[in-house]
Amino acid sequence: KAGVTQTPRYLIKTRGQQVTLSCSPISGHRSVSWYQQTPGQGLQFLFEYFSETQRNKGNFPGRFSGRQFSNSRSEMNVSTLELGDSALYLCASSSLAGAVNEQFFGPGTRLTVL
Amino acid sequence: QQQVKQSPQSLIVQKGGISIINCAYENTAFDYFPWYQQFPGKGPALLIAIRPDVSEKKEGRFTISFNKSAKQFSLHIMDSQPGDSATYFCAARDFNKFYFGSGTKLNVKP
Repeated sequence: KAGVTQTPRYLIKTRGQQVTLSCSPISGHRSVSWYQQTPGQGLQFLFEYFSETQRNKGNFPGRFSGRQFSNSRSEMNVSTLELGDSALYLCASSSLAGAVNEQFFGPGTRLTVL
Repeated sequence: QQQVKQSPQSLIVQKGGISIINCAYENTAFDYFPWYQQFPGKGPALLIAIRPDVSEKKEGRFTISFNKSAKQFSLHIMDSQPGDSATYFCAARDFNKFYFGSGTKLNVKP
């Protein structure tokens, strides 16, 4: 079974630009969560989607948004990029939202904002 | 505010030794406590997890000890190996949200 895939793996953008990251969950998984990982703040929850609906949202500004498609693939968008948005963005999929199922993480997208 | 506090930030252990990483929390609504292992350039991978109705769970060389009254849980790595060198994160789940500790960078010396 293929794991969680994220594209692109690396991105360099400049301040003020917009970026879209993509995540393909494990086949059959309907829940996708997004996290931001930075050396200073660690892993922080962005949002979770289940069956195309956002079920939970972390404490991030509205510049961070996401969506999920009918095939469970998810995208995350960050508008008006700031230097502080430089981070590793991870997505994780699980088969059932809320179930005691493990989350499988993708390798992440490394975003650098110049 | 950090929902899950993890210590130490870094740890150096000799090969064959025991590595111990501790986490503490306040939210009594947490119902699932996983530990993740992350190697450079990779996403975190689930190592072992425990529910609050269990005080200890062992899987191979990895053991979680859970103290519900103290709101603390810890990861013990027995017979630590150089291949265990990685960053370890504890986490706790409240409904569908996972809160992660700040991570412990483990270095196992040969």
